[in-house]
Amino acid sequence: DARVTQTPRHKVTEMGQEVTMRCQPILGHNTVFWYRQTMMQGLELLAYFRNRAPLDDSGMPKDRFSAEMPDATLATLKIQPSEPRDSAVYFCASGLSKGQPQHFGDGTRLSIL
Amino acid sequence: DQQVKQNSPSLSVQEGRISILNCDYTNSMFDYFLWYKKYPAEGPTFLISISSIKDKNEDGRFTVFLNKSAKHLSLHIVPSQPGDSAVYFCAASDGTSGSRLTFGEGTQLTVNP
Repeated sequence: DARVTQTPRHKVTEMGQEVTMRCQPILGHNTVFWYRQTMMQGLELLAYFRNRAPLDDSGMPKDRFSAEMPDATLATLKIQPSEPRDSAVYFCASGLSKGQPQHFGDGTRLSIL
Repeated sequence: DQQVKQNSPSLSVQEGRISILNCDYTNSMFDYFLWYKKYPAEGPTFLISISSIKDKNEDGRFTVFLNKSAKHLSLHIVPSQPGDSAVYFCAASDGTSGSRLTFGEGTQLTVNP
């Protein structure tokens, strides 16, 4: 089965450091999503892309977060500088058009000390 | 503004019995609904979906019911198995936002042997 691949699976770093999370969407999927899951909330949408173009990043703190798709096989989510409140599990998902389910990677568990 | 709500954080049932997970929504523009299952340390896995033109969709042991007038959907699992123990997320999308999903907070289902 095709899968969304996320790296790294775990990341521990000190506050103030730059963090980069990567996602390889399923080949052929044209929509990529970044979600964050914290202990207190469900899955909150941070940003998403269609055909590599950003459609909505209103869920991201703009001053420190950035999301890009350098090519169709790679999506990145960067945090600079990182803060302890950014500690969460970050999920990437990819999908096709509306009416089709999104498929999730296994997430990056981020801990900012 | 929580547009998709799962009011029960947890549910415990006996193996072989029916599990019923509930979800309410407030946005009348939602027209596509999904259920995802999530095991610890893994990403959410798509389980079953339903379009707003239907009121029921069945796939093996899993059935989703949609009551548009009440803005309510439910997932029935019968018979429940210990392997069904996981967090279940309800999600919805509307025609104006493409394939973007809004998730509920999740319900932890525990099936006891």
